[in-house]
Amino acid sequence: QQQVKQSPQSLIVQKGGISIINCAYENTAFDYFPWYQQFPGKGPALLIAIRPDVSEKKEGRFTISFNKSAKQFSLHIMDSQPGDSATYFCAPASNSGNTPLVFGKGTRLSVIA
Amino acid sequence: DTGVSQNPRHKITKRGQNVTFRCDPISEHNRLYWYRQTLGQGPEFLTYFQNEAQLEKSRLLSDRFSAERPKGSFSTLEIQRTEQGDSAMYLCASSFGRPTDTQYFGPGTRLTVL
Repeated sequence: QQQVKQSPQSLIVQKGGISIINCAYENTAFDYFPWYQQFPGKGPALLIAIRPDVSEKKEGRFTISFNKSAKQFSLHIMDSQPGDSATYFCAPASNSGNTPLVFGKGTRLSVIA
Repeated sequence: DTGVSQNPRHKITKRGQNVTFRCDPISEHNRLYWYRQTLGQGPEFLTYFQNEAQLEKSRLLSDRFSAERPKGSFSTLEIQRTEQGDSAMYLCASSFGRPTDTQYFGPGTRLTVL
């Protein structure tokens, strides 16, 4: 997990605000950059993912920004809602060498009304 | 529900006992993964199957751990001579196609070793 550094560890955001979570990686072979969302008592579920040929991807209120040169990608949650309260993990991977998902340590997001 | 299922959901055992967990992947998914998640951490890769072949094992998987996927369908993860450090959530995920295709996770089996 040292290959992936995620920040912040926890985040409290007001309802309607913007949540931003960052992920820095070391392995330049990564070519798939997903964010997973995990609720208590559940397994992680894919939220949104990006390939390195684009710098940004938006799906509804969720946006990934990708900076290949800086080896960083981030998750932006617009208009954050209490239902977004969960733990978020970045988990980059590579198609070469069957590299599995390498999860960050997670960011616990709490959206308060 | 045709998602990934895991059994049991919870297991409490005494140190030194053997335990076995089962994972039923999404039908026709050829890839099956096992991860371990401890409190406050992200899941850590343990092992991976493509069909019935075990293709990758993490160094986390000591010789007390063994995994099988007979006939490329369900999988079992066995831990022999459990230790307190084995207490964790054991997650199974399945996918179809390339390593970077979406992995679908089960709810996990929470193991507590007393």
